[in-house]
Amino acid sequence: RKEVEQDPGPFNVPEGATVAFNCTYSNSASQSFFWYRQDCRKEPKLLMSVYSSGNEDGRFTAQLNRASQYISLLIRDSKLSDSATYLCVVNTVNQGGKLIFGQGTELSVKP
Amino acid sequence: NAGVTQTPKFQVLKTGQSMTLQCAQDMNHEYMSWYRQDPGMGLRLIHYSVGAGITDQGEVPNGYNVSRSTTEDFPLRLLSAAPSQTSVYFCASSPAPPSGLALQETQYFGPGTRLLVL
Repeated sequence: RKEVEQDPGPFNVPEGATVAFNCTYSNSASQSFFWYRQDCRKEPKLLMSVYSSGNEDGRFTAQLNRASQYISLLIRDSKLSDSATYLCVVNTVNQGGKLIFGQGTELSVKP
Repeated sequence: NAGVTQTPKFQVLKTGQSMTLQCAQDMNHEYMSWYRQDPGMGLRLIHYSVGAGITDQGEVPNGYNVSRSTTEDFPLRLLSAAPSQTSVYFCASSPAPPSGLALQETQYFGPGTRLLVL
């Protein structure tokens, strides 16, 4: 089983739609959780950190469920510019300090 | 600040050749790492460093060497290139190693090096 798993998609949605991505992780000792965004042939960039209480940044909402070991990202009112691959990232402090990346979920927003 | 820079952007090697991928950051970050990204595999950690003079292996270290003589530079050496090393390589840095402090763990990535081994 992969340490961090995501549905690779692609998710094809119309502009204005709400879309949700889920990510599961296997290491119950993980302490930090992130969503990164990667545009085609570009480097990943931090979208948002995920906090225990959940957090929101404009149209983006991230949730963490420690009991079930999953993280979610909700995008409301999708824009064409949201088209990208979204990477779920989890740290593994008890394994010498490493970040484990999921394989990414591809989102395509259509007009 | 230039952030994280990587050279070269593209490289074609023949099997058995060696080369060094350069990575530099000007943010005085302690933690630096190298990843490779392959289709369907996500980013996989090759080697990482928690500070000058300290390096450690990641998930896929075989065939690669690193050194960290300064805070700024973290070169990745391919000892004898193989077709399986065809990939996109990203260098990243962050203020601190993964420690549970999210702000300190934010990774800043370089633009990547696309490597083809024939």
